[in-house]
Amino acid sequence: QVQLAQSGAEVKKPGASVKVSCKASGYTFTSYTMHWVRQAPGRRLEWMGWINAGNGDTKYSQRFQGRVTITWDTSASTAYMELSSLISEDTAVYYCARAPSNSGWYWNYWGQGTLVTVSS
Amino acid sequence: EIVLTQSPGTLSLSPGERVTLSCRASQSVSSSYLAWYQQKPGQAPRLLIYGTSSRATGIPDRFSGSGSGTDFTLTISRLEPEDFAVYYCQQFGAFGPGTKVDIK
Repeated sequence: QVQLAQSGAEVKKPGASVKVSCKASGYTFTSYTMHWVRQAPGRRLEWMGWINAGNGDTKYSQRFQGRVTITWDTSASTAYMELSSLISEDTAVYYCARAPSNSGWYWNYWGQGTLVTVSS
Repeated sequence: EIVLTQSPGTLSLSPGERVTLSCRASQSVSSSYLAWYQQKPGQAPRLLIYGTSSRATGIPDRFSGSGSGTDFTLTISRLEPEDFAVYYCQQFGAFGPGTKVDIK
């Protein structure tokens, strides 16, 4: 069965960076695109970007362009999302998510979420 | 950039009732890419509907979706206790603000 296991909660200071991992299992990692979505407390979900795990192509939301970097390690079946220049408004739960097909824009597999807290 | 709005913001209902949730897009969107999710506190979103009207695997048939153009609807024919949650619509990288369905 498809599983996405994310790294644990993080506490960061303003201006720092955070890197969240998402380890995939139960399917061929390189056959699907991995997306990242975040949710700040009491706010709507926000799509951040994706990586094509087959060739490493990436696409980012304009809202996060320049601050977010999504990478992958095929040998570890793991995708990573790094967000830099953190501010308090980046406090959120960060999710990795996978579509049922490589080109899908809806997600039926989700990681458990990683809480990132930005606080001085 | 497409903006999705949802109404109402909150609904207070009783088990057994029928509920209709609305999602409106700022411009016409492809029906192929409109999805609905359910989210409960402390949990990841759960895909309910994709392509406007197709139920995801394992989703009960009391959930149905419809719509086209700029107006889309999620209907729950008969609320079960486990259906009290927040519901989001989504199209590509845009999500609506959500509708909370809570117990009356």
